[in-house]
Parts: sequence; structure tokens; C-alpha cells
Amino acid sequence: DSGVTQTPKHLITATGQRVTLRCSPRSGDLSVYWYQQSLDQGLQFLIQYYNGEERAKGNILERFSAQQFPDLHSELNLSSLELGDSALYFCASSVGGRNQPQHFGDGTRLSIL
Amino acid sequence: AQSVTQLDSHVSVSEGTPVLLRCNYSSSYSPSLFWYVQHPNKGLQLLLKYTSAATLVKGINGFEAEFKKSETSFHLTKPSAHMSDAAEYFCVVSGGRDDKIIFGKGTRLHILP
Repeated sequence: DSGVTQTPKHLITATGQRVTLRCSPRSGDLSVYWYQQSLDQGLQFLIQYYNGEERAKGNILERFSAQQFPDLHSELNLSSLELGDSALYFCASSVGGRNQPQHFGDGTRLSIL
Repeated sequence: AQSVTQLDSHVSVSEGTPVLLRCNYSSSYSPSLFWYVQHPNKGLQLLLKYTSAATLVKGINGFEAEFKKSETSFHLTKPSAHMSDAAEYFCVVSGGRDDKIIFGKGTRLHILP
């Protein structure tokens, strides 16, 4: 058990909809990372937050946004969903910056119908 | 700019034989290097991390990796494969001037009985 909790485990929705994915980091970790994993794109880094502030952006679409709350949990919001957004979305946490080992949750599988 | 290349997308070995998963990296600065493993429908789990303290890094489950600066390689090895090692393995580089984190495309390890 990594200590990182992601909810929900599965999400099925339709094109054009909006969803929110939730992540609780491991106790004591200040950084949260979001990743998208799909068969064609592989594992893509989306965004990182550190202690409530955005620290780095990767290949995150404008339709996607995230935030980290004072209790350090994070949410990833995906809007105007398209079929191509179907993927496994992972959250990871670490004590500090990107040189630290990351601890991954089991992911949220998003299916767009 | 940093990059990481996993030289094999699939590797098959027989149970009890050695495992070699190859990773080459490119970085203008001293990078941090990691190997992660992903079992089906699970998040990634850290196997080991290169910290510059020693070129031979020992990880969990009998895996180890050797950092070779002259060859810009960080190959993952295990003396004797076990059926439970069947999974996907990711080589990761992070740090450097732009402080990015970059995942390789992954190597799927198959263990033959």
C-alpha cells in the first residue's frame, strides 16, 4: 500500500461532460503529481503542486485544471470531455520536489462513451 | 534538454534466468534516475533510485541498476527472474536545469515458465 488514495476507481461518462478526480497524498508528503496513462500516449506528466501552489506543468490540456487544498488533497477537473480523454489517471505524491521518489495511487480509470 | 530511452518495448526471459532491462538517458546536468514497476491495474511502485552516492544501486525484490556516466546508461538487472516479476518497467530521469521529470515509454517483461 503506497498510502496514496484516489477516488473514484472507475468513472464512466459521456462526451461533453465534466468530472472531478480526487487524490489524498501519503501522510507527510507535500507534493502531488497528476499523470495520464493511455495506450497510444504512454505515461504523460500533467501537473505538479507543492504545498498548495502549482509547481510545474506538463502536457496538460486547457480543458483540464487542478488544485491542491490546504489539507494537501488534490483534485483534477476534466471538462468538455472527448473520447480521447479515456485513460488511466494517476496521482502520486512525494515529500518534496521532483528529485524525490514518488508514491503512486492505483489510479482512476476514466471511460468516455 | 533531458530525455530517456528504454531500448526494448518487450523482453521475454525464462523463470530462473537473468533479467536485463536497458535504459539510456540524456541530461546536461547530474540527473536523478529511477526505475519504477507497474503491475496490471496498479499504480507505479518505486524499485530503486540513483542518488550519486554509489554507481551500483540495490532496489527491492532483488533488482539492481548500475549508473554508467560514460555510456549514459542506467540498466536494470536481476540475477534470477520470478514469475511475479512479470510487469511493465519504467525508467525515469528528473532534475536538471529545467527540473522536468521524464518517463520512458516502458518495457514489458514477460516471464516464461
